[in-house]
Amino acid sequence: AQSVAQPEDQVNVAEGNPLTVKCTYSVSGNPYLFWYVQYPNRGLQFLLKYITGDNLVKGSYGFEAEFNKSQTSFHLKKPSALVSDSALYFCAVRDVDSSYKLIFGSGTRLLVRP
Amino acid sequence: AAGVIQSPRHLIKEKRETATLKCYPIPRHDTVYWYQQGPGQDPQFLISFYEKMQSDKGSIPDRFSAQQFSDYHSELNMSSLELGDSALYFCASSLGVRAGDGYTFGSGTRLTVV
Repeated sequence: AQSVAQPEDQVNVAEGNPLTVKCTYSVSGNPYLFWYVQYPNRGLQFLLKYITGDNLVKGSYGFEAEFNKSQTSFHLKKPSALVSDSALYFCAVRDVDSSYKLIFGSGTRLLVRP
Repeated sequence: AAGVIQSPRHLIKEKRETATLKCYPIPRHDTVYWYQQGPGQDPQFLISFYEKMQSDKGSIPDRFSAQQFSDYHSELNMSSLELGDSALYFCASSLGVRAGDGYTFGSGTRLTVV
């Protein structure tokens, strides 16, 4: 079965500092990995995805993620955090066993303090 | 660009009532996924449809049913509502079951059962 794990419930970072939100995955075969962001009472917004190719994926709002096959990780990063980045972040993997639905991690709340 | 449209945005129902949530996928998208996100929870997969046929089923209660119509929109029918059904319900659409990289989420329907 495919799964992703987000080991941190919350990440706190000061504005202007780099941020990392961690995600590890467990899949059979090649992983299709995604990051989504959710603001309060809002839907899921796509940030970026890894399908194949370059291990460093660049996405929306200055975010990027590094795919590391040996460590089975797909950590989300941003060089300089903004207060407006404060939100709930979900890592997800495509389920290849059945309908190719997305399977989400438990989410990490990012808090960027001024 | 057209997005995934969900209606209604908010819904308040009493216990034991019924509710119908609607999802209109992006034009030409033939696959719809439904998710339930409880307070402080990650999105949980309920059910999916591809070309008007159920393609996968997750943790969907027997009180719930869903279908995809000829125009590819989908409806989630919920009966005998319980307090625990209060959640944000998302749908996502994609082109083809094996699309892998093209999931678009709607803004969700917030259901409150009182």
